[in-house]
Amino acid sequence: NAGVMQNPRHLVRRRGQEARLRCSPMKGHSHVYWYRQLPEEGLKFMVYLQKENIIDESGMPKERFSAEFPKEGPSILRIQQVVRGDSAAYFCASSPPSYGSGNSYEQYFGPGTRLTVT
Amino acid sequence: RKEVEQDPGPFNVPEGATVAFNCTYSNSASQSFFWYRQDCRKEPKLLMSVYSSGNEDGRFTAQLNRASQYISLLIRDSKLSDSATYLCVVSTAGNTPLVFGKGTRLSVIA
Repeated sequence: NAGVMQNPRHLVRRRGQEARLRCSPMKGHSHVYWYRQLPEEGLKFMVYLQKENIIDESGMPKERFSAEFPKEGPSILRIQQVVRGDSAAYFCASSPPSYGSGNSYEQYFGPGTRLTVT
Repeated sequence: RKEVEQDPGPFNVPEGATVAFNCTYSNSASQSFFWYRQDCRKEPKLLMSVYSSGNEDGRFTAQLNRASQYISLLIRDSKLSDSATYLCVVSTAGNTPLVFGKGTRLSVIA
C-alpha cells in the first residue's frame, strides 16, 4: 500500500510566480489535510478537504492561497504571486473515512514539498 | 497561551538512558492525542496514539491526564536511532485538523 505521495519534492520559484503542490492520499483515504512548516517552527494546519469539498480552510491565508481536491486526480495547493515568506515545507496528510462519531483517525504524512522563493 | 506546549530541549542523553517528555494542551475539547517523531527535514511519522488508560509500544510508553490536560512520553533504553524531534499532537474527535506542538529535540549520544 503506497503511502501519501507529494510532488514535487523541491520547488524553486521567483517572487511573483505561481507554485502548484500536488498530493495523492493513501489508497482508501478520502480526507486530505495540508500543513505548513516554516523554518524552525511547528507544523500549522492550512486546509482540510474531501473529494470536491473544502471542509475547513481556517488556516489558509486569505489571499493568494487556494486548494482543491477534484473527483479525479490529486489534491492541489496553489500559491499565486509567491513571496519570500512563503518559503517553507508543505506537508500533506491523509486519513481514512469516518464511520460514526467519537473515533480518532490517525493522519499519515507525505514527504513534503520544500518551496524556496528567491 | 499556545494550544500545545512542549519543552523544546534539546535533551542530550547517553545510550541506554530513560528519558521523558511532557506536553500540555489548552483546548479542553481535545479528544485525540498522538506522539509523532520528525527527523531533520523529513515528514512527521506517527509514533503512537495516546489513550486515556495509557499505552505501551515496546520501549515507548505514553500517558494522558485529561484533568491536568497533560500528555507524556517515556522512552526506555534509548538508542542512537531515537535521536529526532518528538511532536505532541492533539485534535478534537473524528477527522479534524491536528494541532502540533513545536517539538522536543532528543539527541542520544554513544
